[in-house]
Amino acid sequence: GQQLNQSPQSMFIQEGEDVSMNCTSSSIFNTWLWYKQDPGEGPVLLIALYKAGELTSNGRLTAQFGITRKDSFLNISASIPSDVGIYFCAGQLNRGSTLGRLYFGRGTQLTVWP
Amino acid sequence: DTAVSQTPKYLVTQMGNDKSIKCEQNLGHDTMYWYKQDSKKFLKIMFSYNNKELIINETVPNRFSPKSPDKAHLNLHINSLELGDSAVYFCASSQEGRNSLSAKNIQYFGAGTRLSVL
Repeated sequence: GQQLNQSPQSMFIQEGEDVSMNCTSSSIFNTWLWYKQDPGEGPVLLIALYKAGELTSNGRLTAQFGITRKDSFLNISASIPSDVGIYFCAGQLNRGSTLGRLYFGRGTQLTVWP
Repeated sequence: DTAVSQTPKYLVTQMGNDKSIKCEQNLGHDTMYWYKQDSKKFLKIMFSYNNKELIINETVPNRFSPKSPDKAHLNLHINSLELGDSAVYFCASSQEGRNSLSAKNIQYFGAGTRLSVL
């Protein structure tokens, strides 16, 4: 299967700091997604990217679809305590037998100190 | 109204028992999934159904049997539970459509079922 490497594995930052995390793949994807999981809940979609080079923002979050289609990053600016959670990248091929299949990174655990 | 709902939220049972987890989505999606999240938070797909047809069947023990009575429901039955089955199981749904390139393929997840096998 596809291997997604997500880094860093964990981050401990102070409120107000900016955060950056990234994901790389051994294969290309047609879609990159970023999800956030709060404790006791399921992953919730933050940003979806559909074209190589695409840069998309959602409030304080910005994500980019790498030009090689093998990587993506997520930035969070001016972090706040409610940003705490696990952030997952996910790649999707959207083609044939892989219809709907999401390949997830191992997650970045974000802790924000007030 | 919850978009993807799973029941129960918690399930504690003994080894060897048979149990089921139910999932329902009210988003009108045509594809549903089951994922397993292990203790290290790794999310791995187990099954997916598109219009009640099995599409993805990862290498999971055949003790796990998904059943989709209609597009809005995908249940997971597990026979002869083992200690290693302890995990959080997530249901998800998306609209894949006939032309996968035109669909946005965003998957919406339920809140999860935490299964503990003693």
